[in-house]
Amino acid sequence: DAGVTQSPTHLIKTRGQQVTLRCSPKSGHDTVSWYQQALGQGPQFIFQYYEEEERQRGNFPDRFSGHQFPNYSSELNVNALLLGDSALYLCASSFGDRDYEQYFGPGTRLTVT
Amino acid sequence: KNQVEQSPQSLIILEGKNCTLQCNYTVSPFSNLRWYKQDTGRGPVSLTIMTFSENTKSNGRYTATLDADTKQSSLHITASQLSDSASYICVVSAGLTGGGNKLTFGTGTQLKVEL
Repeated sequence: DAGVTQSPTHLIKTRGQQVTLRCSPKSGHDTVSWYQQALGQGPQFIFQYYEEEERQRGNFPDRFSGHQFPNYSSELNVNALLLGDSALYLCASSFGDRDYEQYFGPGTRLTVT
Repeated sequence: KNQVEQSPQSLIILEGKNCTLQCNYTVSPFSNLRWYKQDTGRGPVSLTIMTFSENTKSNGRYTATLDADTKQSSLHITASQLSDSASYICVVSAGLTGGGNKLTFGTGTQLKVEL
């Protein structure tokens, strides 16, 4: 039973570029949440997808957008990258409203230069 | 504003010793509180989850307590091991009107276990 997987593991981009991160949820899960974690900080909630729609959103600008596919996998897109976007991006999956059973992926380390 | 504060920010202990990490929260309406262990550069892994009616829960050498009246939680680690070196994050879930939950994360306590 595969857990939450994310790709790529590491990524280096230049300021102003665009990036797409990918997440496959744990088998049986239909809800995907994305978090940004800066070095030494706790994760910050970006948004959550359920039934291919954005169900909740944190305090992140419109440069951050996402998508969920019919197979429940998800993408996080960030446009016009800033140096401050450098962080570990975490994906977590759960089933429906049962976020207490939320499982995290290993994360994607994004570095913006 | 929902907030979760953890203390201490960092902690160094000797292998075999016990330690206690603290979490204070102002989250409403409270749904549940969980403790996660996060190794450097990896995703958080759940240790314990407690609802309003639970005041203690154990997972091996980890024991979490919850006082819903004072809005405080603690994570006690017994007989620490080198592999316990990690960041420990307190997360509080609040119920949303219309369904769903909103998670508020603490900034974590960085624990280092030394020989």
